[in-house]
Amino acid sequence: SYELTQPPSVSVSPGQTASITCSGDKLGYNYVCWYQQRPGQSPVLVIYHDNKRPSGIPERFSGSNSGNTATLTISGTQAMDEADYYCQAWDSSTTRVFGGGTKLTVL
Amino acid sequence: QVQLQESGPGLVKPSQTLSLTCTVSGGSISDGRYYWSWIRQPAGKGLEWIGRIYTSGGPNYTPSLKSRITISLNTSKSQFSLKLTSVTAADTAVYYCAREGCGGGSCYTDYWGQGTLVTVSS
Repeated sequence: SYELTQPPSVSVSPGQTASITCSGDKLGYNYVCWYQQRPGQSPVLVIYHDNKRPSGIPERFSGSNSGNTATLTISGTQAMDEADYYCQAWDSSTTRVFGGGTKLTVL
Repeated sequence: QVQLQESGPGLVKPSQTLSLTCTVSGGSISDGRYYWSWIRQPAGKGLEWIGRIYTSGGPNYTPSLKSRITISLNTSKSQFSLKLTSVTAADTAVYYCAREGCGGGSCYTDYWGQGTLVTVSS
């Protein structure tokens, strides 16, 4: 089965840029989406189709996907962005898989 | 606004069958543009995609659970269900139902239920 690898944790200072990576074999040929999950809450979609933002998601969230790595970038990180982030992509033509998740800490 | 609500027993005995239902409101479960999914999350761990179903085709299951899962759709009640057989403590998790939209080869989960904790214990 297909595996997506994320760093367990990323730290960033308020106002700085946070980058969270998601790696997988030839991931650039896949479509990636990203979810934010705050403690005790259900996940929220923040990026889909590699780099598209759903309505209501701040512009500071952006995404890219090339080669074997997809990246979620949060510009001007705020305290409210502290959460777990998960990437998701196709495992096969009909099944989906999540990355292991990254805990973003805003110091 | 689409809303999803999980329901079912919070405690299941080992070797028995876990059964959950998701009730969808604010949108049509018969809308062929969307899949209806189950995702789980053990305490303190990551998300695991379980499977999905939609009105225009059969269910899709994650390979690791495929032999134990059944996902079905009841359009008349606007519900879809998950059955997981022969459960063990490793199946203890928060179970989410969700809606998945697809377009242009890309899929994404845009609406989630609040999640329901299922504990497997005797």
